[in-house]
Amino acid sequence: SSELTQDPAVSVALGQTVRITCQGDSLRSYYASWYQQKPGQAPVLVIYGKNNRPSGIPDRFSGSSSGNTASLTITGAQAEDEADYYCNSRDSSGNLVFGGGTKLTVL
Amino acid sequence: QLQLQESGPGLVKPSETLSLTCTVSGGSISSSSYYWGWIRQPPGKGLEWIGSIYYSGSTYYNPSLKSRVTISVDTSKNQFSLKLSSVTAADTAVYYCARHWIVVVIKIDAFDIWGQGTMVTVSS
Repeated sequence: SSELTQDPAVSVALGQTVRITCQGDSLRSYYASWYQQKPGQAPVLVIYGKNNRPSGIPDRFSGSSSGNTASLTITGAQAEDEADYYCNSRDSSGNLVFGGGTKLTVL
Repeated sequence: QLQLQESGPGLVKPSETLSLTCTVSGGSISSSSYYWGWIRQPPGKGLEWIGSIYYSGSTYYNPSLKSRVTISVDTSKNQFSLKLSSVTAADTAVYYCARHWIVVVIKIDAFDIWGQGTMVTVSS
């Protein structure tokens, strides 16, 4: 079992804003990184650190953190954003761990 | 740009050792600030970190797999490798190699470049 908890599924209407969350006690000490994975493809890093986007990631993706919860927000969701999203951080022992993933559906 | 490519057998028998290699091209595996990691994903399931290695050979592993995992690096070939012993059907997964970017001072800790992944099936 993962020490980072994500909602299994979230949906958003096209063009609307959606927040995907990741909960874990270790997030009080560590930032989460976020990955987008489309079917049959490798994960792609979309957010790292406090709120940083790798080159090529649209600015509609943003990250934030409060207490034991990290969030990935997509402002103005597009059809191509439909994917699985995973958070990743350290557990209480400092080992790397992934959240269970959230399936995002764009309606 | 930097690319990673996994290679190795797609079928491994139960109780045997799974061996995979990741070849790094377009950059040096000996770069500072980067570890090199292995992550796997069973069919229809989520991601699981296996372990990471620095070019110096320093390693750290997922505690749940540590007793069966060995990750090594060959800087002359710009490659790093994974060995997972005593495999069972539960080890059937897509195995990814990835660059693990760590900058402690500014709390960067992320897998920023991934290989395409390779499917490994454990079956007799």
